[in-house]
Amino acid sequence: EAQVTQNPRYLITVTGKKLTVTCSQNMNHEYMSWYRQDPGLGLRQIYYSMNVEVTDKGDVPEGYKVSRKEKRNFPLILESPSPNQTSLYFCASSKGGLASYEQYFGPGTRLTVT
Amino acid sequence: QQQVKQSPQSLIVQKGGISIINCAYENTAFDYFPWYQQFPGKGPALLIAIRPDVSEKKEGRFTISFNKSAKQFSLHIMDSQPGDSATYFCAAKAAGNKLTFGGGTRVLVKP
Repeated sequence: EAQVTQNPRYLITVTGKKLTVTCSQNMNHEYMSWYRQDPGLGLRQIYYSMNVEVTDKGDVPEGYKVSRKEKRNFPLILESPSPNQTSLYFCASSKGGLASYEQYFGPGTRLTVT
Repeated sequence: QQQVKQSPQSLIVQKGGISIINCAYENTAFDYFPWYQQFPGKGPALLIAIRPDVSEKKEGRFTISFNKSAKQFSLHIMDSQPGDSATYFCAAKAAGNKLTFGGGTRVLVKP
């Protein structure tokens, strides 16, 4: 089954404690992206990757890091989480080119930072 | 600064009615306009999409209307059903695969 998986699905942590949210896709997609979803603000892009070892900032990259060492994996790293990073996070993947408007989303990770 | 503005934030419609969600954009470089549907506890999923050289696209009960000169596009859900209750996001794609999303509309269809 074609899918994007994220782990963990739920996470409660404290300010300053480093965490990683994993993302993996099995569709051999070149493009992967991380979004955060907040009420009234829709989905805002944090970081994206056009392919292995190619990453770039999205609209709200502050406080986040990513890496793309393998095509299927695109982890999101919060090195020193703060309460304003409490949010619902989604990983997505897509083919490149004209088909890139069709992004496949993971199930989401709800993060609470206290 | 939101490049894609979506309204309303929420709407309630009776079963069988028409749901209409509107979006406006500013960047004329956008080259594709998809709509995503999200059910509670799930990630968004592509519902329907339109290119800017097409004025209307219909798939089943879902229709996108596109007005290039006004830089607006809308989603119409005909014969709305309780199963259509979800959050809907409009989006716009620019070169380089980047999607910019609207703020979302929560639709509730009452039986």
